[in-house]
This record gives sequence, structure tokens and C-alpha cells, in this order.
Amino acid sequence: ETGVTQSPTHLIKTRGQQVTLRCSSQSGHNTVSWYQQALGQGPQFIFQYYREEENGRGNFPPRFSGLQFPNYSSELNVNALELDDSALYLCASSLGARDEQFFGPGTRLTVL
Amino acid sequence: GDSVTQMEGPVTLSEEAFLTINCTYTATGYPSLFWYVQYPGEGLQLLLKATKADDKGSNKGFEATYRKETTSFHLEKGSVQVSDSAVYFCALSDGSGGSNYKLTFGKGTLLTVNP
Repeated sequence: ETGVTQSPTHLIKTRGQQVTLRCSSQSGHNTVSWYQQALGQGPQFIFQYYREEENGRGNFPPRFSGLQFPNYSSELNVNALELDDSALYLCASSLGARDEQFFGPGTRLTVL
Repeated sequence: GDSVTQMEGPVTLSEEAFLTINCTYTATGYPSLFWYVQYPGEGLQLLLKATKADDKGSNKGFEATYRKETTSFHLEKGSVQVSDSAVYFCALSDGSGGSNYKLTFGKGTLLTVNP
């Protein structure tokens, strides 16, 4: 059984650019949650997608947006990148919105 | 809102020493509590969990007991190994009032175990 995968592994962007991060959920999982982990901090909840609909959002501005596809994979899009967006972005999938979350290895985003 | 406070690190121990990492929480409703571990260069792995008061979660020699009266979920291990070196995160999940179970994490505690 394949676990949660994320791409790319690392990414370098400059301020003002846009970025798309991708996540493939574990087989059979219909829910994907995204977290931002700044250096030396715990992960912070960005939003969750359940059956292709947004199902809760943390305290992040609208320039953070997402999508979930019919195969339940997901994208995180960030527009107008800022230096403070530099972080490890973690994706987690779960069987359902109320179930245990399984994390991917993350995408390390650096904004210069 | 919900919050998790865990002891500041880093924590450095010798192999076979006793480990305690303190964690306290603030939440409305009845949260589930978790400990996650993050090894260098990797994502988060669930170490153990407890879903109601007085439950004890355990895994790989680690234990934590859900104490509602003190709003705590301290992580303990009787004899640490070098391979336990990692960052440990305490977290809670409170689904009350909503249908999603977002996780709220503490800042993490870096544990280094020396041979």
C-alpha cells in the first residue's frame, strides 16, 4: 500500500511568485489536510478537503488556496509569495474527515 | 481557541535514561490527544494517542496518560535509545462544533540521546 506522497521535495521561489504543491493521498482515503511548519515550530493547520470540498480552514489569508481532485489527490496553491511563507508544507490524508491523519514527507519551500 | 504547550527543548539524555516531556493543553469540548514524532528529514509519524480522560496511549516503550483534571498528556519512556533522537510534538484534535478534525500542535521538543 502506497503512503502519502508529496511533490516536489524542495522548491525555491522569489517574492511575488506563485507556487503549486501536490499531494497524493493514501489509497482509500478521501480527505486531505494541509499544514505549514515554519522552522522550529509545530505544524499549523491551513485547510482540509473532504470529497473535493473545503471542510475547514485555519488562520491563513485567501492567497492560500487548494483543490482536491476526483481521485482525492490535492494541490495547495500560494499566490504572491512572501518571505514568511518559507516553510515545510505537510499534507496528511485520512479515511474520512474525522479519522487519523497520515502525513507525507513534506515539501520544503524557500522564498528569496 | 485551542492550544498546546510543551516543554522547551532541546533535551539531551544518555542512553537508558528516563524521559519525560511535559505537555498541557487548552481546548473546548473533549479533545483527543496525540504524540507525533518527526525524524530528521521526514514527515510526522503518529507515536501514540488517547481519546478520552484516563486513557493511556502506548507504543514502542513510550506512554502518555490523558489527565483531564490537570489538562496534561506528558510523554514518558523508561529507557531511551539513540534511535529515539527526534523532535516530538504534542497535539490535540477537537472535532466538537465542526466536522473536521484539524490538529493543533505544540512547538515541538528536540530530543538527543547520546550513547
